[in-house]
Order: sequence, then structure tokens, then C-alpha cells
Amino acid sequence: NAGVTQTPKFQVLKTGQSMTLQCAQDMNHNSMYWYRQDPGMGLRLIYYSASEGTTDKGEVPNGYNVSRLNKREFSLRLESAAPSQTSVYFCASSETPAGPYEQYFGPGTRLTVT
Amino acid sequence: RKEVEQDPGPFNVPEGATVAFNCTYSNSASQSFFWYRQDCRKEPKLLMSVYSSGNEDGRFTAQLNRASQYISLLIRDSKLSDSATYLCAVNGNNYGQNFVFGPGTRLSVLP
Repeated sequence: NAGVTQTPKFQVLKTGQSMTLQCAQDMNHNSMYWYRQDPGMGLRLIYYSASEGTTDKGEVPNGYNVSRLNKREFSLRLESAAPSQTSVYFCASSETPAGPYEQYFGPGTRLTVT
Repeated sequence: RKEVEQDPGPFNVPEGATVAFNCTYSNSASQSFFWYRQDCRKEPKLLMSVYSSGNEDGRFTAQLNRASQYISLLIRDSKLSDSATYLCAVNGNNYGQNFVFGPGTRLSVLP
């Protein structure tokens, strides 16, 4: 059981470049999430997918798009990267978005935009 | 006011000390509560869920006070390996309510 996996682990982009962060979970969870974590800001929710086929904006969705490809996979796309998007990105999954179900996190992607 | 607040610390304590963290939440509809541990440059990992009656896991004790809307984490007999950032998280029972994390409290256990 790998849990939640993310690729890549590290990425450096130039301003204006695009990229997709990949996330997959093998726990048969219904819900998946993308967070960014910045020093002093804690974890901020970018987008989430309560179930396959649905996606919703979180606290900081601007500049990002997501795709819930199937139950296992949830990708995050930066169409035109900006230095303000330099951050650590975590994908997480849970049984459902509500109730007593904890979230499980992937190892993170460290993104630097120059 | 932020939805979930924590004292950022750092808390610097000697090995063997007892240390307690509090976390306050603003949404009275919150129903589920958790403590996560995050090591430097790693992902958050669940430390323990917090139950209404309070619960213990070895040296760790979690408490919930619904009336005052806070949860606490007590660590007894601190070990060097307890050095980490501790995040609290709250969740609701209604579909669409977001799982909200606090900003974390940093703990350093000193030899």
C-alpha cells in the first residue's frame, strides 16, 4: 500500500511556464485535496474533489486548475506559473469530505518559480 | 478571526518535560477534531483523533472542550524525537464543509 503518491518531488519553473502536478491514492478514498503550504501561512486548500466527477474551489484557487481523472488520480495544473506560486504542494485524500475521517497526505512537491 | 488558531511557538522544552498545546476553532458546527504531526520538510501525518470524552495514546493525551471551542494536546515525558510542528484540524459533518488546519505549533525538545 503506497498510500498517496505525488510526482514530481521537486520542480523549478520559469515565470509563464506551465506544469501539472500528479497525485494518486490507492486507499479507495472518495475525496481528494490539493493544498499549498507556505512559511507562516499553514496549509491552504486550493481545490478539492469530494467524489469522482466533482471538483470545488478551496481558499486559494486562482492560478490553478484541477482534474479528477478517476477515483485514484487528481491532478493540479499551473497554466502560467508566477513567483507567488513558489510553495510546497501537498495532495491528500480521505474517505469523505465530512465526518470523522482523517486526511492522508502525499510527500509533497517543492515548486520554485523564478 | 481565523477559523482555527494555534500558538505558533516555538516551544522549547527539556527532555522529560510535559508540554501542552491548545487550538481554538471558530465554527461551532465542527464535529471532528484531529492532531497531526509534521516533521521538517515532510508531509503532515495523523497523530491522533480527538474524541468528545478525551483520549490517550501512550504519552499523548487529547482533550476537547466544546463549550469553549478548543482542543488540547498534552505530551508527557518529552523525547527528542517529539520535536516537530503540531497541527490541529477540524471538520464538519456537512458535505462541503472544508477540513480546516491550524497554522501549527513548533516544538523543540532539547537534550
